[in-house]
Amino acid sequence: QKEVEQDPGPLSVPEGAIVSLNCTYSNSAFQYFMWYRQYSRKGPELLMYTYSSGNKEDGRFTAQVDKSSKYISLFIRDSQPSDSATYLCAMMNTGFQKLVFGTGTRLLVSP
Amino acid sequence: NAGVTQTPKFQVLKTGQSMTLQCAQDMNHEYMSWYRQDPGMGLRLIHYSVGAGITDQGEVPNGYNVSRSTTEDFPLRLLSAAPSQTSVYFCASSYSGGRLGTGELFFGEGSRLTVL
Repeated sequence: QKEVEQDPGPLSVPEGAIVSLNCTYSNSAFQYFMWYRQYSRKGPELLMYTYSSGNKEDGRFTAQVDKSSKYISLFIRDSQPSDSATYLCAMMNTGFQKLVFGTGTRLLVSP
Repeated sequence: NAGVTQTPKFQVLKTGQSMTLQCAQDMNHEYMSWYRQDPGMGLRLIHYSVGAGITDQGEVPNGYNVSRSTTEDFPLRLLSAAPSQTSVYFCASSYSGGRLGTGELFFGEGSRLTVL
């Protein structure tokens, strides 16, 4: 079993839709949770970062962490064609020197 | 700042050949790492370094060597290329003083390697 599970998609939605992207994990020691966005033929870039449980909002993006269920989510409101990309979740222990990534979910937003 | 620069962007090798993927960063980051990205497997850590002269293995280190003689450079060497090493390779760095800290990695644009 992988430490981090993520549905690869693709997830296709119309412009303006609310998108929900999710990851589950098995290691209860993870404390830091991140979402990276990767456009085609580019390197990933950090989109959202949260520590421990709770919600964090940044514009149209909301990251949610539920440590009791070992489940994290990224919500995108009013999705735009420019949001079409692969979204990777990532997580890390306190004091650990490595990030563990999910496989990524490919999102396609059609005009 | 150029950020993280990887060369070459594309490379085709024959089985058994050796080569070095170059990675340089101009952000004075102490933490540097190499990942490979394969369909259905996501990003997997090959090797990482928390500072000049210090390297350690990641999840999939076999067949790869690294060294870190300067803060700026972190080359990845393939000693004897195999078709299983066909992948997209990403170099990434972080500013957190030798530790990942917040986990914000700055990635290069990738090097696409094909081994025939």
